[in-house]
Amino acid sequence: AQSVTQLDSQVPVFEEAPVELRCNYSSSVSVYLFWYVQYPNQGLQLLLKYLSGSTLVKGINGFEAEFNKSQTSFHLRKPSVHISDTAEYFCAVSAPDSSASKIIFGSGTRLSIRP
Amino acid sequence: GAGVSQSPRYKVAKRGQDVALRCDPISGHVSLFWYQQALGQGPEFLTYFQNEAQLDKSGLPSDRFFAERPEGSVSTLKIQRTQQEDSAVYLCASSLQGQGAGTQYFGPGTRLTVL
Repeated sequence: AQSVTQLDSQVPVFEEAPVELRCNYSSSVSVYLFWYVQYPNQGLQLLLKYLSGSTLVKGINGFEAEFNKSQTSFHLRKPSVHISDTAEYFCAVSAPDSSASKIIFGSGTRLSIRP
Repeated sequence: GAGVSQSPRYKVAKRGQDVALRCDPISGHVSLFWYQQALGQGPEFLTYFQNEAQLDKSGLPSDRFFAERPEGSVSTLKIQRTQQEDSAVYLCASSLQGQGAGTQYFGPGTRLTVL
């Protein structure tokens, strides 16, 4: 079975500062990894995903994440945040070989941007 | 619209009432998923359909929860004899493919409050 741990429940940062949201996963098999963003009163939107290949994945809105197999991590980064990045961010994992294709989500990290 | 839609957006039920939540996936999407998101938590998998077949219902918390997708398109999640612990946002997602790599597109969710 897979599991996801998001180490920070809240991350406050100043506008235009860099940010890193941490995510660690646990799995006995190879995995697909995802970051989703949830803006207030909206559904989840995919930021980026890692399936295979290059360990550095670039997503929408200037976000990127790096898959580190040895550390079982998939941290999300952005070099300069904007007020509009205020949202809840969810790291998630699924198993490629699973017929269920279900996604296992972390508990989320609330990113708050201070002007 | 082109996205996943859910109705109603908000539902208030008295304890013991039955509720039905509807999901309209993106046209042509093979896979459909239901998730439950409790306040302050990440979404948790409930059940998965590939076309009209319910391939995984391992996440349904009790036999009071029932989901169907009779024609392989619209899906309904039914909760019988609602309890206060059923209060949550219920998210529906659809995916073009039936494998783990397929991006899941989420609807805005139905917020269920059981009094």
